[in-house]
Amino acid sequence: EDQVTQSPEALRLQEGESSSLNCSYTVSGLRGLFWYRQDPGKGPEFLFTLYSAGEEKEKERLKATLTKKESFLHITAPKPEDSATYLCAVQGNSGYALNFGKGTSLLVTP
Amino acid sequence: KAGVTQTPRYLIKTRGQQVTLSCSPISGHRSVSWYQQTPGQGLQFLFEYFSETQRNKGNFPGRFSGRQFSNSRSEMNVSTLELGDSALYLCASSLSDHQETQYFGPGTRLLVL
Repeated sequence: EDQVTQSPEALRLQEGESSSLNCSYTVSGLRGLFWYRQDPGKGPEFLFTLYSAGEEKEKERLKATLTKKESFLHITAPKPEDSATYLCAVQGNSGYALNFGKGTSLLVTP
Repeated sequence: KAGVTQTPRYLIKTRGQQVTLSCSPISGHRSVSWYQQTPGQGLQFLFEYFSETQRNKGNFPGRFSGRQFSNSRSEMNVSTLELGDSALYLCASSLSDHQETQYFGPGTRLLVL
């Protein structure tokens, strides 16, 4: 059974203080690993898709990386508007479903 | 391009009632998936439809059902509502196949009293 574990559950950063969020996974045949951002009361907003180990993608202050067992979302010099819950999901060979972790709640203070 | 739309956005029902939620995918997207999000369980997969056929189903009781129309719009139905069905129901659409990114709508917040 596919499993996704995100850590930490919650993270508080000062504005400008860089950090990384972790997503560990076990899946039968990884088809894709997805990162989303979710603001309170809204649907998840797509950030990145990673398909194979060694792949990296960047967008503004965010950079996602992938190994065979985990993915990291690096946040460089975060701003208060980066505060949100970050969700990691995997899609395996078993079907079309995304299997989500519980998320990391990030708070960036001025 | 318009995003995924879901209606209604908020709904209050009582135990034993049934509810129908609607989802319109991004134009050109043929796959629609439904997820339930609760504080305790997080996001859990309900089912996925492509070309009016259910291709995948999550581990939910038969009270949860869905369908997809020829224009790719989808509905999900929950019968005999229970208190535990209170959740944010999210619809996501993708072009068609595996590895395709799923784009989520704003969700329907269901409260069962």
